[in-house]
Amino acid sequence: DIQMTQSPSLLSASVGDRVTLNCKASQNIYKNLAWYQQKLGEAPKLLIYNANSLQTGIPSRFSGSGSGTDFTLTISSLQPEDVATYFCQQYYSGYTFGAGTKLELK
Amino acid sequence: QVQLKETGPGLVQPTQTLSITCTVSGFSLTSYYMQWVRQTPGKGLEWMGFIRSGGSTEYNSEFKSRLSISRDTSKNQVFLKMNSLKTEDTGVYYCAREGPLGADYVMDAWGQGASVTVSS
Repeated sequence: DIQMTQSPSLLSASVGDRVTLNCKASQNIYKNLAWYQQKLGEAPKLLIYNANSLQTGIPSRFSGSGSGTDFTLTISSLQPEDVATYFCQQYYSGYTFGAGTKLELK
Repeated sequence: QVQLKETGPGLVQPTQTLSITCTVSGFSLTSYYMQWVRQTPGKGLEWMGFIRSGGSTEYNSEFKSRLSISRDTSKNQVFLKMNSLKTEDTGVYYCAREGPLGADYVMDAWGQGASVTVSS
C-alpha cells in the first residue's frame, strides 16, 4: 500500500504570509495527487488535482506542485478563511490520504 | 446543482450492522463512480470502497469481509452496509462522487457526512 506523509502537522502563520505544505508518497505516484481543504465540521473540498491543476472556483492563491514522491501545496497570501486542515490524497493505486496539516492563524 | 446527502442511524451497538444511505441530485449514478470514505479519530480519512457507474464494486481490503456497497438508480441512492461493528468504527462516513477532471478521476463532490457512534 502507498503511504502518504504530510508535514508539518501544525502550521501557524499570519494573514498575508506565503504558506507551504508538504506531502510525500512512499513510492512514485507520478502526478496522481489531490489536495483537499477541510474546515471544522465540514466535508473535504477539492482544491487541486493532477498535482497542479486548480479545481474550478478555487482562488488562484492556491497552487500545487511536484511529481513522483514529493508534492507541495502553496497559499501565496494567507487569508483568514483559509484556516482549515489540508489533506493530500494519492489516486495512483487505490486511494490513500495523508494525516493532514492543520493551518491556524498566528 | 450537484448535491449529496448521507443519512444514517447515529448510534449503533457493537457487533451490529451499519446502514447509511447517500441520496444524490444534479447528476446520474449511471455516469459516475460513487465512493465511500470515512474519517475516524484513530485512522483519519480512509477509503472504503466504490460502486462503478456500471454497478460493479471494489472494496478496500481492510473492510472487504464486512462491507457492502449497492445502489438504486431509480431513487438516486447509494447504500453502505458494514457488519460486525466495533468501537473503532466510530467516525464520520462520507459519500463522494468521482468525476472526470481532465484525464484524471477525482473525488470532486462530497456529502456533508453521517456521524456514527458505535457504543452499547
